[in-house]
Amino acid sequence: AQKVTQAQTEISVVEKEDVTLDCVYETRDTTYYLFWYKQPPSGELVFLIRRNSFDEQNEISGRYSWNFQKSTSSFNFNITASQVVDSAVYFCALSEATGTASKLTFGTGTRLQVTL
Amino acid sequence: DAGVIQSPRHEVTEMGQEVTLRCKPISGHDYLFWYRQTMMRGLELLIYFNNNVPIDDSGMPEDRFSAKMPNASFSTLKIQPSEPRDSAVYFCASSHGRVSGNTIYFGEGSWLTVV
Repeated sequence: AQKVTQAQTEISVVEKEDVTLDCVYETRDTTYYLFWYKQPPSGELVFLIRRNSFDEQNEISGRYSWNFQKSTSSFNFNITASQVVDSAVYFCALSEATGTASKLTFGTGTRLQVTL
Repeated sequence: DAGVIQSPRHEVTEMGQEVTLRCKPISGHDYLFWYRQTMMRGLELLIYFNNNVPIDDSGMPEDRFSAKMPNASFSTLKIQPSEPRDSAVYFCASSHGRVSGNTIYFGEGSWLTVV
């Protein structure tokens, strides 16, 4: 069975601080996909990134970057120079490629609070 | 481009009443999902459809819940009769192709309160 663990329930930082959101996953499949979603206070779920298990290259998008390490089954999300607008709940998710199921298993989320 | 559209955004209803949540997936997407988000259980998949056919409804909590997809552009999630423990945010989502290889896009959610 697949599982996603986000051990950090809540993180509070001051604006401009760097922050890392941890994500550890479990799967028996060799082919799988990892996702990050953002849920701002308004409630919608916003897609941030998808990564497949064969691509371990780190991804950078502006102030955001993602560090995928198969050796430790982790897919961490880094925010550089955090801003108040980054305040949200962030979810890591996993989808296995095999079988008929097309399910996205979510972690419990990490609430990030960025203050001035 | 229009995203996944859900209605109503907010609903408050009395216990025992029927609730119908509606969803319009992104045009061209062949997978549609209904998720529920609660504080206790987080985000959980209720049911998903492929080409309008229900594929996996193992997450539907009980017979009071039902979902239909009469055509490629419309789906409903119905709760009858509703109970206070059904209070949650219900998300509809869609993807083009299997989630494992594609991105799933979520609607803004329907916030349901049963009193």
